[in-house]
Amino acid sequence: LAKTTQPISMDSYEGQEVNITCSHNNIATNDYITWYQQFPSQGPRFIIQGYKTKVTNEVASLFIPADRKSSTLSLPRVSLSDTAVYYCLVGDPSGSARQLTFGSGTQLTVLP
Amino acid sequence: SAVISQKPSRDICQRGTSLTIQCQVDSQVTMMFWYRQQPGQSLTLIATANQGSEATYESGFVIDKFPISRPNLTFSTLTVSNMSPEDSSIYLCSAQGQGVYGYTFGSGTRLTVV
Repeated sequence: LAKTTQPISMDSYEGQEVNITCSHNNIATNDYITWYQQFPSQGPRFIIQGYKTKVTNEVASLFIPADRKSSTLSLPRVSLSDTAVYYCLVGDPSGSARQLTFGSGTQLTVLP
Repeated sequence: SAVISQKPSRDICQRGTSLTIQCQVDSQVTMMFWYRQQPGQSLTLIATANQGSEATYESGFVIDKFPISRPNLTFSTLTVSNMSPEDSSIYLCSAQGQGVYGYTFGSGTRLTVV
């Protein structure tokens, strides 16, 4: 299993771009990188998934360098409602859940 | 993606009793999972609920304590048996559909054992 390392917490201000980096040095060839967002009293919500280079959707962008040993989740112009825990997961999503292991996550706090 | 309804959303139970949590998915899904999340902590996988066969449990979790049913491709239950205060936690179900776009989670069941 590829272990992930993320910052425990980050603070930002409304309107700023936030970049959360995740390290996954032992990523395997078939592994994808997936980010989830979790608000208090809710289950995690899928944000974005990628394999290499850059992926963008309506919520975020995911940057993955060529060696795939890290990835960066970019949230443009955050608002107070983006305050949540963000989890980086690495694994084969077509396999079993045991290959998707939740790390400690990053608590993002957006300040007014 | 699939939509998951999980109930109850919360419960307060007496020690020694059991609670069954239900998870209903709005579409047929291949795999369903149960997680536990201690307050302020990350998620820990309890087991994979297999349709038509026994659940597959992770290390540290046993069938006698957490029996799981999966009678069809849209429904699963997790029972927390003979509860103690240490079982107080949030329990979440998750489902995987087709493709590579990740998992969907229920909103969780907040269990307090007194």
